[in-house]
Amino acid sequence: DTGVSQDPRHKITKRGQNVTFRCDPISEHNRLYWYRQTLGQGPEFLTYFQNEAQLEKSRLLSDRFSAERPKGSFSTLEIQRTEQGDSAMYLCASSEGTEQQQFFGPGTRLTVL
Amino acid sequence: GQNIDQPTEMTATEGAIVQINCTYQTSGFNGLFWYQQHAGEAPTFLSYNVLDGLEEKGRFSSFLSRSKGYSYLLLKELQMKDSASYLCAVRDYRGAAGNKLTFGGGTRVLVKP
Repeated sequence: DTGVSQDPRHKITKRGQNVTFRCDPISEHNRLYWYRQTLGQGPEFLTYFQNEAQLEKSRLLSDRFSAERPKGSFSTLEIQRTEQGDSAMYLCASSEGTEQQQFFGPGTRLTVL
Repeated sequence: GQNIDQPTEMTATEGAIVQINCTYQTSGFNGLFWYQQHAGEAPTFLSYNVLDGLEEKGRFSSFLSRSKGYSYLLLKELQMKDSASYLCAVRDYRGAAGNKLTFGGGTRVLVKP
């Protein structure tokens, strides 16, 4: 297995545009997490899936953000009407069970102009 | 909520030892993780403590005191490749929150020749 993958690795967009990111977790992992990381800071939790169920969303996740994991495998994170403050690294992680460590993907770096 | 503090930056010499402290205040605790993150890359797992005491893994050791809300990561025989950010993260365990990680801001370690 090649680990957690994310696509695209980099995205530059203009303010007001919509963007969508994809995460493919490690195949046997049923838990999937999205985090956001800005320069010089640690990752901040955004949302969490167990299989296809979205079990928790952070207050950081405004109405412009939506995440899905339709078949309990890959996940997408969409940001509508992007703002400059959305510029960050968006990290996806997966784990096999509640007690297991999370494995992180390489991230998608979003720049909103 | 969670509050996690760690120093912003540390400098050490190749071959030396460095100790990175992390203090936390949490409303729920189910383990403490240390991750290493090189610039522009994903965090990679280093260690995990859920019970008090020292966990040793090669050149890296991690210590936890739950009563004091304190952990440290010890890096021995420092190598140039150890220059990276080190992230302290506490795992929440409240109902459906399950496996959410709350990260500190990270400690940037610079190893000099």
